[in-house]
Amino acid sequence: DAKTTQPPSMDCAEGRAANLPCNHSTISGNEYVYWYRQIHSQGPQYIIHGLKNNETNEMASLIITEDRKSSTLILPHATLRDTAVYYCIVRVLYSGGYQKVTFGTGTKLQVIP
Amino acid sequence: EPEVTQTPSHQVTQMGQEVILRCVPISNHLYFYWYRQILGQKVEFLVSFYNNEISEKSEIFDDQFSVERPDGSNFTLKIRSTKLEDSAMYFCASSWPGTGLNNEQFFGPGTRLTVL
Repeated sequence: DAKTTQPPSMDCAEGRAANLPCNHSTISGNEYVYWYRQIHSQGPQYIIHGLKNNETNEMASLIITEDRKSSTLILPHATLRDTAVYYCIVRVLYSGGYQKVTFGTGTKLQVIP
Repeated sequence: EPEVTQTPSHQVTQMGQEVILRCVPISNHLYFYWYRQILGQKVEFLVSFYNNEISEKSEIFDDQFSVERPDGSNFTLKIRSTKLEDSAMYFCASSWPGTGLNNEQFFGPGTRLTVL
């Protein structure tokens, strides 16, 4: 799996958009970009993933650059409950459906009132 | 919404004792995983399980560890003789064997294991 680089921490004002960057310059053509988050001491939670097109769901948007070397997770209106560690992970999707997740150190997002 | 559950939420044991951590994965999922997180460190993969056998295990998952799906609903992690360094949060996860965009993993709330 390709390596990712994320800032160790970020702050965001409550109600504003939180934009979390991730660099994955060695990503290969069949690797997806996944985002998970971990609210303090809870189990990691899947947020979103994508290959090359931008993706949006009820939690967030994922913007992947055209060269796929970086991406941004956007939480459009951050709330205090979004305070968490956010993990950007790059990995291949195997057709069998089994896959471990290799977590890095992530970005600690602090949403400030 | 379906969820992965784990019991107990906190387990305290003496060094050298055996512990069994229990998980109930989401009912139609077929892939099961255990991860652990030592306090202040990264979440680490331990083992994956499919079709009643281990698919992959990390170097952490040595002979002291074993996993089992004893019935149609539970998935367990056993540590035979606990060590101080086994103190950690243990997370169970499960996933659906779909392809493409439908096989994300769902994690349980974790069991905090404290070895004294």
